Order: sequence, then C-alpha cells, then structure tokens
Amino acid sequence: DAMVIQNPRYQVTQFGKPVTLSCSQTLNHNVMYWYQQKSSQAPKLLFHYYDKDFNNEADTPDNFQSRRPNTSFCFLDIRSPGLGDAAMYLCATSRWSQGGDTQYFGPGTRLTVL
Amino acid sequence: QKEVEQNSGPLSVPEGAIASLNCTYSDRGSQSFFWYRQYSGKSPELIMFIYSNGDKEDGRFTAQLNKASQYVSLLIRDSQPSDSATYLCAVNSNFGNEKLTFGTGTRLTIIP
Repeated sequence: DAMVIQNPRYQVTQFGKPVTLSCSQTLNHNVMYWYQQKSSQAPKLLFHYYDKDFNNEADTPDNFQSRRPNTSFCFLDIRSPGLGDAAMYLCATSRWSQGGDTQYFGPGTRLTVL
Repeated sequence: QKEVEQNSGPLSVPEGAIASLNCTYSDRGSQSFFWYRQYSGKSPELIMFIYSNGDKEDGRFTAQLNKASQYVSLLIRDSQPSDSATYLCAVNSNFGNEKLTFGTGTRLTIIP
C-alpha cells in the first residue's frame, strides 16, 4: 500500500544532542512537509519542499534544518534540541494540483528531550 | 494573519446521535477545506475534503461549506464510541498554495 513512513516512531535524546528524524513516501508526491505538534495544539508547519525547492516558515528556529535527497525521502535535523522541542513531529505529503492539495500524514515521531 | 477557529470542546454526544463540529475561517479567498480526525497520540487522518458550497456526504460523515458565511462543518451521524477523537479543520487559501492552515481542533467524546 502507498504510504508515508516515519522513523523512528519514538526518539529520546539529551538536551543539546543532535537528532535526525526521517520520512519516506511511496505516493510519489512532489510536496513534503514537516510539522511540529504539541499537546492540544494545531500542527505547526516548520517547512516544506515543493519538489527540490525548500520553503522555510518565517518563525521556524534556525535549530531546525531539513534535507530532501530525492523525491521519496525527507529528513528533519534538530541541531541542538532544547526542552521546548519535545513534541510530535509529523511528516506529510501532497501532490500539488490546481484542484487542491490533500495532505497525507505519516504516523509521526514522538520526541522526548531529557 | 489567516486564522481557522474551532471550539476546543470537549463536545460530548450520546452514542447513536448526530455530532456537529463547526469551523470558521478568516480568509475569504479560501478555496479548499479539509477535516482530519486525530486520535490521542496518533497522527491526523483525512476524513473529508470539500471545495464547493453545499453538502458532501461520505458514509456517516457530511461536510457542509458556506463560503458567504465563512464556515465549514462536519456532521457525524449514528455516532460511535470509535468516533471519539479530536477533529481538525484545515483550510487551503487558494488552489496555487500548497500550505494548509489548521485549527486547534475540537475534542469529541461519544458517550455509550
């Protein structure tokens, strides 16, 4: 089945220790997104790739970086995690079209910062 | 600032009744509208999308869109305990924009 896969599902890291989260998709969608979601809050868009074009949200901290080496994979790097970065990180994909852009989410990675 | 507003709830509905979830949005130019269901600790799952004014039905779910009043709603008929979740409303500002603006969600509890 076509799907969005995130690894790991749970990640524990220490304060300041870099961490990388991964996302892969078999949907062949051209847009990939990274969201941060904290408890009882809306998903907050960090950045997205439209094909190879990287689009950063204005309020995304520099501590967050992303890579998309090919259509199928996208990575989220947190260079120096702080306690406030503990959250669920969601990867989503969509196929851009004039008719709208339904986003499909992966299962998420729950990040704990000690 | 484009905003999407939802009543955070919790909304409690007896099993078998109709659950009605509402969402308002500020950008009059918004074109496409989505409802996602999110179980606690899980990721959002697409329930329905709607582009045109009126009703769109899919099984027990009906999405209603009124662009003049800038609101979109989701009706769940014959509510089941498995419908207990947070429902997120999301809005795409125009067909050329690949980003969604999410509401904070309404927590729905179906009472057996």
